[in-house]
Amino acid sequence: GAGVSQTPSNKVTEKGKYVELRCDPISGHTALYWYRQSLGQGPEFLIYFQGTGAADDSGLPNDRFFAVRPEGSVSTLKIQRTERGDSAVYLCASSPYPPGGSTDTQYFGPGTRLTVL
Amino acid sequence: AQKITQTQPGMFVQEKEAVTLDCTYDTSDPSYGLFWYKQPSSGEMIFLIYQGSYDQQNATEGRYSLNFQKARKSANLVISASQLGDSAMYFCAMREGWADSSYKLIFGSGTRLLVRP
Repeated sequence: GAGVSQTPSNKVTEKGKYVELRCDPISGHTALYWYRQSLGQGPEFLIYFQGTGAADDSGLPNDRFFAVRPEGSVSTLKIQRTERGDSAVYLCASSPYPPGGSTDTQYFGPGTRLTVL
Repeated sequence: AQKITQTQPGMFVQEKEAVTLDCTYDTSDPSYGLFWYKQPSSGEMIFLIYQGSYDQQNATEGRYSLNFQKARKSANLVISASQLGDSAMYFCAMREGWADSSYKLIFGSGTRLLVRP
């Protein structure tokens, strides 16, 4: 079956602009996660959705970052007034719910590489 | 304190030999899960293997096995019969237990493995 997909694969923008990154999870997975991976580091958690609601947004760095999942499937990560420090790969992952044992394994998409000039 | 520590930034292994990638973790939660992911140069995070804190036996998945030493809080990945296609970054990750209801993953900094022909 289809895996997690993310669009665009690459996004180049100018400082101060607004960007949207899209994630389409595996069909039937109700849990969806966003992570950010800076060069040479492991991914860092941003936000977690269970269904339509953001159950944990503790990883969002500031109020310029926002994410939605209005119908419980596709999610969009939105970044306002982008800064050069926002440059990173943004990864989306999905997993089945309820979690427990290996069923909460998160499956990742290919990521969106964001470059802020 | 680091929750996940991978002390080997880079490793070499000869093709067809076995290699062990180290991972230690820190948690006070009795229920947790440990994961290993592979990230090739293409960027996608590929799930390899899972070990639950209550699992009695070490996890195995094909050429991958997890050397789980609970008392030492280590979860080393063993890759047997290395192949050229195993060259990639490898990340160890932990999902803390039911106290963290987001089930988010905490990643280490990764180990870059290069397989020599």
